[in-house]
Amino acid sequence: GAVVSQHPSRVICKSGTSVKIECRSLDFQATTMFWYRQFPKQSLMLMATSNEGSKATYEQGVEKDKFLINHASLTLSTLTVTSAHPEDSSFYICSARPPGGDTGELFFGEGSRLTVL
Amino acid sequence: GQQLNQSPQSMFIQEGEDVSMNCTSSSIFNTWLWYKQDPGEGPVLLIALYKAGELTSNGRLTAQFGITRKDSFLNISASIPSDVGIYFCAGQPTRYGGATNKLIFGTGTLLAVQP
Repeated sequence: GAVVSQHPSRVICKSGTSVKIECRSLDFQATTMFWYRQFPKQSLMLMATSNEGSKATYEQGVEKDKFLINHASLTLSTLTVTSAHPEDSSFYICSARPPGGDTGELFFGEGSRLTVL
Repeated sequence: GQQLNQSPQSMFIQEGEDVSMNCTSSSIFNTWLWYKQDPGEGPVLLIALYKAGELTSNGRLTAQFGITRKDSFLNISASIPSDVGIYFCAGQPTRYGGATNKLIFGTGTLLAVQP
């Protein structure tokens, strides 16, 4: 399957600082990437859809000024958690879908665990 | 956000037993996917289903796309300890990819296998 990689896998930061998480598609170009958030023992909740060369589309209830998304190239999307607070601590997972064909399969990165102290 | 209803919520079984879990939705999906997630990792795709009534196998795993397009099930035969993890179903409104074709996840089934 296609490979999607995230960095960093774990990050600890102080409250009030900003944290950037990178998502890369390693063997395909992705015009669209998706960012999910997962709290402990819960399912994945879609936060936003990242679109290469244009603004991201955010799900209802997700603050776009809080979670800045930049999809500057066909292989890289970044999520920046601005002015992080302890309640932003979570597992953030990105995903991307290889272009073309009739597959709806979505491939996921390894996830990034954010802990805000 | 929207979620699919998945059951059971958790299962504790003995090695060698068969496992069955299912996922239901109030709305129609045209693609059903099953993922497995290990602790601290991203989900890994197990099986993808594209047609109502379709039955697909991947080794010891078998999944079916319900005729009504509102449900799907996953069976695991002869479970082994490495089957431990959280299994998620996911539904997608259409078969084809695209920016607006969002994947909706089920609530997850935690599987524990005792050797």
